[in-house]
Amino acid sequence: AQSVTQLGSHVSVSEGALVLLRCNYSSSVPPYLFWYVQYPNQGLQLLLKYTTGATLVKGINGFEAEFKKSETSFHLTKPSAHMSDAAEYFCAVRLSNFGNEKLTFGTGTRLTIIP
Amino acid sequence: DSGVTQTPKHLITATGQRVTLRCSPRSGDLSVYWYQQSLDQGLQFLIQYYNGEERAKGNILERFSAQQFPDLHSELNLSSLELGDSALYFCASSARHSGSSYNEQFFGPGTRLTVL
Repeated sequence: AQSVTQLGSHVSVSEGALVLLRCNYSSSVPPYLFWYVQYPNQGLQLLLKYTTGATLVKGINGFEAEFKKSETSFHLTKPSAHMSDAAEYFCAVRLSNFGNEKLTFGTGTRLTIIP
Repeated sequence: DSGVTQTPKHLITATGQRVTLRCSPRSGDLSVYWYQQSLDQGLQFLIQYYNGEERAKGNILERFSAQQFPDLHSELNLSSLELGDSALYFCASSARHSGSSYNEQFFGPGTRLTVL
């Protein structure tokens, strides 16, 4: 079984400031972890993913996330926020064993950028 | 553009009615997944089909059913609709590579269902 907790349903940061969106997970086997972004009235776009290997993963639009097994976390960061980053962000987990492919999503964090 | 298409984009219907949502996966993808996004429940996995067969089931109501056809497109049927079924329904698809446990899911733009 797996689950995801996203702390903070709304996060506001100033343009140019650090973005930090928090995600903690639980998983009965080693997980695959994902961050998706959803812009208003659009579908889900994959930002980045962790499957195996390097624990610091880089994604699109300057975002990165670090898989920390000891903390069961996969927080999303971006050094300098841009107005175009305003969107809803979803952390997701799936089990890594063959045949278990469903994604379990967190409740989402709406990111607002203050000019 | 993910390559996954969903029709219709918007659907407005009344309680008690039945609707069908359609999904065409990316070319060559064998797996199709359906997810529901609602204000109450968030993003939830409903069901997965692989090459025409049901592979995994999530929180899918008995009033809902799905199938995947020989050409790999999928349909999600929602019947006896209730106000609470109003949601955004996403389809995703992924390939199946022999020996690999990871296949990225590509999401379609969704169908917004409004039940009045």
